[in-house]
Amino acid sequence: GAVVSQHPSRVICKSGTSVKIECRSLDFQATTMFWYRQFPKQSLMLMATSNEGSKATYEQGVEKDKFLINHASLTLSTLTVTSAHPEDSSFYICSARGPGLGEQYFGPGTRLTVT
Amino acid sequence: RKEVEQDPGPFNVPEGATVAFNCTYSNSASQSFFWYRQDCRKEPKLLMSVYSSGNEDGRFTAQLNRASQYISLLIRDSKLSDSATYLCVVSRGSQGNLIFGKGTKLSVKP
Repeated sequence: GAVVSQHPSRVICKSGTSVKIECRSLDFQATTMFWYRQFPKQSLMLMATSNEGSKATYEQGVEKDKFLINHASLTLSTLTVTSAHPEDSSFYICSARGPGLGEQYFGPGTRLTVT
Repeated sequence: RKEVEQDPGPFNVPEGATVAFNCTYSNSASQSFFWYRQDCRKEPKLLMSVYSSGNEDGRFTAQLNRASQYISLLIRDSKLSDSATYLCVVSRGSQGNLIFGKGTKLSVKP
């Protein structure tokens, strides 16, 4: 099956700093990548959708200036959490999909803790 | 009202039991339907797609009723390894965005 990796798997940072999370499709070209966030005991919430070479489309309530998404190649998307605050502490998961509306393949997630 | 609602759980069942999960969705424009399973602190993994005609995969049976906007998952002969959170998921929109339910936690005991 298709493999998606994320890096780092967990990160602890101080309030006010920025953190970059990478999402890579290892054995297929990801035309579309999705970023989700999951708080404890809550559902995965879609933050944004990005198509390679285009600006990301953000879901309502997600600040695009705070969560910077770059999808510069068909195998890599990055999410940068800028000026992180403790309330940004969460489990961030990416998924990737090839051309069309096929299955989304999920990365293993990144656990962010902001102190 | 949340777009995808599930039984709150948790479900604690003995090995070998049959357990059923229910899910309703509010957006009639939803296009595709899935059950995912998520283990603690891990990413969700696709368990099965759900079709209007109903479909079965081994011990797992999924049903969809578009008129009632209702989805179900039946697990027969529960195994210890079935312990996880089961997520009801629908897709919608031109990008096929996935909308996740909160999940129902299943714990299968020996």
